[in-house]
Amino acid sequence: SQTIHQWPATLVQPVGSPLSLECTVEGTSNPNLYWYRQAAGRGLQLLFYSVGIGQISSEVPQNLSASRPQDRQFILSSKKLLLSDSGFYLCAWSVTGNEQFFGPGTRLTVL
Amino acid sequence: AQKITQTQPGMFVQEKEAVTLDCTYDTSDQSYGLFWYKQPSSGEMIFLIYQGSYDEQNATEGRYSLNFQKARKSANLVISASQLGDSAMYFCAMRPLGAGSYQLTFGKGTKLSVIP
Repeated sequence: SQTIHQWPATLVQPVGSPLSLECTVEGTSNPNLYWYRQAAGRGLQLLFYSVGIGQISSEVPQNLSASRPQDRQFILSSKKLLLSDSGFYLCAWSVTGNEQFFGPGTRLTVL
Repeated sequence: AQKITQTQPGMFVQEKEAVTLDCTYDTSDQSYGLFWYKQPSSGEMIFLIYQGSYDEQNATEGRYSLNFQKARKSANLVISASQLGDSAMYFCAMRPLGAGSYQLTFGKGTKLSVIP
């Protein structure tokens, strides 16, 4: 069966510090991968998606970037965090393109 | 562009009763998919049910059913025989179906509380 991992689970970072969140998927090949952000009390907003190694599409302009160095690995990064980057970050995968399956999420607080 | 509207910020239901969570959508796409997700306090988004716009029958998954009314552009979630573990946020989402269409558009969610 397929599983998706995200780490760390929680993170507290100062403004201006770098960020690296990692997501890995097991049990499937060539998945579509997604990064979402959820602000407190809100729905999810798609940040990036990838349909293959090295292929990244950005949905919103922001202080973040994404990379896919391996088939089942998706990384979300920032060189300098802003207060507005605080939120709950969720990684997801899909194969058929219909339902997306989400990881446990990373709660990021920027102080 | 797609838009999802969930008009119920919070709902209460007695344990073992059924509850309907409302979702309306707006899209210009001819072919699209509708989804419901559950988000417990732990934060993980759990996929519940899917309905394609071309499906003539309403989707069902165990205690979950989707009341799809295409002409009204509504996709309400019905949970039968509510359990305490159903207390969570519920999100309606949609996505165009077609090559290159990946973005799920989410509503703002409904917080369901099941009362013992």
